[in-house]
Amino acid sequence: QVQLVQSGAEVRKPGASVKVSCKTSGFTFNAHYMNWVRQAPGQGLEWMGRINPNSGTTNYVQKFQDRITMTRDTSISTAYMEVRSLTSDDTAVYFCARSPRYLSSSNFDYWGQGTLVTVSS
Amino acid sequence: QSVLTQPPSVSAAPEQKVTISCSGGSSNIEYNYVSWYQQLPGTAPKLLIYDNNKRPSGIPDRFSGSKSGTSATLAITGLQTGDEADYYCATWDTSLSAGLFGGGTKLTVL
Repeated sequence: QVQLVQSGAEVRKPGASVKVSCKTSGFTFNAHYMNWVRQAPGQGLEWMGRINPNSGTTNYVQKFQDRITMTRDTSISTAYMEVRSLTSDDTAVYFCARSPRYLSSSNFDYWGQGTLVTVSS
Repeated sequence: QSVLTQPPSVSAAPEQKVTISCSGGSSNIEYNYVSWYQQLPGTAPKLLIYDNNKRPSGIPDRFSGSKSGTSATLAITGLQTGDEADYYCATWDTSLSAGLFGGGTKLTVL
């Protein structure tokens, strides 16, 4: 069965970086986009960007363009997202979510369990 | 402030029907597919509707989706207490070249 398993909760100080992983199984990793979505406490969902595991090509939301990097390791079917220069506003649950691999895709059919990132001094 | 506008909350009695709207524009909803998600407290979102009106396997036909112009609607019939959750619409924005979520709607089953 399709599974997306994310790394555990993280605590970082302001200005630091964090890298979250999303290990997948049960499907062809290269055949789907991997998206990253975050949810601040008590807030809604926010799409941050996606990676095409087949090519490594990425699409980032402009507000995160300078602070995030999405990568993948196809040998272990795992996607990663690094967020740099963290502030308290980045405290959120970060989800990875699979979608079909076409340009205007927004069908997120399988999700990871979420990774809580807390930014606090 | 989300580009896609949803009502913050809706409510209805058990067994009744409720609709949740999602309003966007010509660069997003009008020419792209809409999907809908249910999020129970403390859990990851779950896909309810994709491609405007299709249900993944396992989603009951009490949930249905529609789209007209720059707006989309999720309808839930035969409401159950277990349907109490937050609901989000999503689509692609061609101008932004980005995915979009609505602000979310909290459903209360009275």
